Amino acid sequence: QKEVEQDPGPLSVPEGAIVSLNCTYSNSAFQYFMWYRQYSRKGPELLMYTYSSGNKEDGRFTAQVDKSSKYISLFIRDSQPSDSATYLCAMRFGAAGNKLTFGGGTRVLVKP
Amino acid sequence: GAVVSQHPSRVICKSGTSVKIECRSLDFQATTMFWYRQFPKQSLMLMATSNEGSKATYEQGVEKDKFLINHASLTLSTLTVTSAHPEDSSFYICSANSPLQGDSSYNEQFFGPGTRLTVL
Repeated sequence: QKEVEQDPGPLSVPEGAIVSLNCTYSNSAFQYFMWYRQYSRKGPELLMYTYSSGNKEDGRFTAQVDKSSKYISLFIRDSQPSDSATYLCAMRFGAAGNKLTFGGGTRVLVKP
Repeated sequence: GAVVSQHPSRVICKSGTSVKIECRSLDFQATTMFWYRQFPKQSLMLMATSNEGSKATYEQGVEKDKFLINHASLTLSTLTVTSAHPEDSSFYICSANSPLQGDSSYNEQFFGPGTRLTVL
């Protein structure tokens, strides 16, 4: 079993819809939870990070962490074609210098 | 800020040759850099952690004699794939640690654009 599980998709939605992404993990020691967006043949870029359980909102993006269920989510409101990309969840044990453990990534396609 | 570059972006080489990939932090200093590889439609797999002035720490299953890492300065780390073979063909991505803008308590990994290696 992988440490971090993520549905590979693809997830296809119409423009303007809400995109819902999630990951599950097995190691309860993870403290920081990140979401990255990766366009084809590019490096990942950080969208949001969350420390421990709770919600965090940034513009059209909302991240949720439920440590009791070992489940994290990312919601994208009012999705745009430019949101079409692969979304990777990642997590780490500490705030600085620790390696990231990535999920497999979910490919999202937002259709105009 | 926090821009990471990689060179080259693409490289094609013959089997048996060695290839060097550079990773630079352009506007910040990074004591720690990371090297990943990514196969098509798969996630990033950490290969090694590179610390300036010391030996790299390799993940289990990664051959340190095949993937040579040098972190000679606070802005440059290099990955050399020695005696490359077709199975080494992959997308190699580096990242560098830097405090997140507006949140100095948190160090984030900023990723380079990646290098696509094709070994014939």
